[in-house]
Amino acid sequence: DIVMTQSPDSLAVSLGERATINCKSSQSVLYSSNNKNYLTWYQQKPGQPPKVLIYWASTRESGVPDRFSGSGSGTDFTLTISSLQAEDVAVYYCQQYYSTPPGYTFGQGTKLEIK
Amino acid sequence: QVQLQESGPGLVKPSETLSLTCAVSGYSISSDYYWGWIRQPPGKGLEWIGTIYHTGSTFYNPSLKSRVTISVDTSKNHFSLKLSSVTAADTAVYYCARETGVVYGRFADYWGQGTLVTVSS
Repeated sequence: DIVMTQSPDSLAVSLGERATINCKSSQSVLYSSNNKNYLTWYQQKPGQPPKVLIYWASTRESGVPDRFSGSGSGTDFTLTISSLQAEDVAVYYCQQYYSTPPGYTFGQGTKLEIK
Repeated sequence: QVQLQESGPGLVKPSETLSLTCAVSGYSISSDYYWGWIRQPPGKGLEWIGTIYHTGSTFYNPSLKSRVTISVDTSKNHFSLKLSSVTAADTAVYYCARETGVVYGRFADYWGQGTLVTVSS
């Protein structure tokens, strides 16, 4: 089984400061057929379903503020919020897709709070 | 605008079968995309349960495969989840979602609001 491990489990950052969340996969999620990393980042606020922020490891979903960015390749990935806003308080999850057998797994989540 | 809405019993007895339906509006299930179920135990993380493609092909989480059945009813534009032999460990918020194609990494771009299912006698 492919395991996704996020770090840290929780994070407190001051408003306006940078927040960085890491995600490590036990196997590469880079697909050589199209040179894409099948790694997605979600944001989940209390009482709401998750919302897609980033797919292909670094492509922002339509409507997502540009303070959110994703980077990394292969097995190591990072979600960065360049200047934390109050509305960014949430739990963030990474998710990877695997093809054999087809399915996907999530990281355990990182809780982001205001310091 | 694509919308999904889960429905089904909020309380299921141990050893019985959990049954949920996801009604889709704003998009025809038979047109394209994958349609999946994800769950989240209270205060915990997300777990993929399984997915059905618009053609009817199904894909299940290996850890749940022996207990899961996902089906689609294109005439009603909805898809369904059955999870058999439930225990307290199956207590969770169950979400239905639309998933993108493999080329995008099968992420869930539209989600239902979720429905809490409690397993208890």
